Amino acid sequence: KAGVTQTPRYLIKTRGQQVTLSCSPISGHRSVSWYQQTPGQGLQFLFEYFSETQRNKGNFPGRFSGRQFSNSRSEMNVSTLELGDSALYLCASSASPGQGGVTQYFGPGTRLTVL
Amino acid sequence: QKEVEQNSGPLSVPEGAIASLNCTYSDRVSQSFFWYRQYSGKSPELIMSIYSNGDKEDGRFTAQLNKASQYVSLLIRDSQPSDSATYLCAVFSGNTPLVFGKGTRLSVIA
Repeated sequence: KAGVTQTPRYLIKTRGQQVTLSCSPISGHRSVSWYQQTPGQGLQFLFEYFSETQRNKGNFPGRFSGRQFSNSRSEMNVSTLELGDSALYLCASSASPGQGGVTQYFGPGTRLTVL
Repeated sequence: QKEVEQNSGPLSVPEGAIASLNCTYSDRVSQSFFWYRQYSGKSPELIMSIYSNGDKEDGRFTAQLNKASQYVSLLIRDSQPSDSATYLCAVFSGNTPLVFGKGTRLSVIA
């Protein structure tokens, strides 16, 4: 079974631009979570989607948004990029948000650099 | 605020020794517990999951859960330099996102 895929793997943008990151979960998985990881900050939760609905949202500004499509693929968008948005963005796939399917499997991540 | 606490390390152990990584959590109703390994510059990789009190073994790895004391630990036997990584503890409490600790950096010295 193919793992979680994320595209692109690397991105360089300048301040003020916007960016869209994509995540394809493991086949059959319907839940996708997004995280931001910066050195020293650990994994910061962005949002969680299940069946095209956002179930949970982390404490990030409205510049960060996401969505999930009917095939479970998910995208996240960051508008008006700031230098502090430079980070590794990780997508994690799980079967469902409930007890029996909550185990998360991570994609390789997208490394975003904002200049 | 649900919290998961880990000692940031680095935890240094000699090759062949047992590495012991600990994690405490604040939510008493937590149900599922996970350990991930993350190499520098890479994404987290699931090592173990544990749901019931006691020990769960998988090769050189043993996860230990004590719900009464609200801690979960990971033992790595016969530690190898390739085990050098950051280990993340994650806790699920139902209807809320998985909560991750900040991780413990392990260094295995050859």
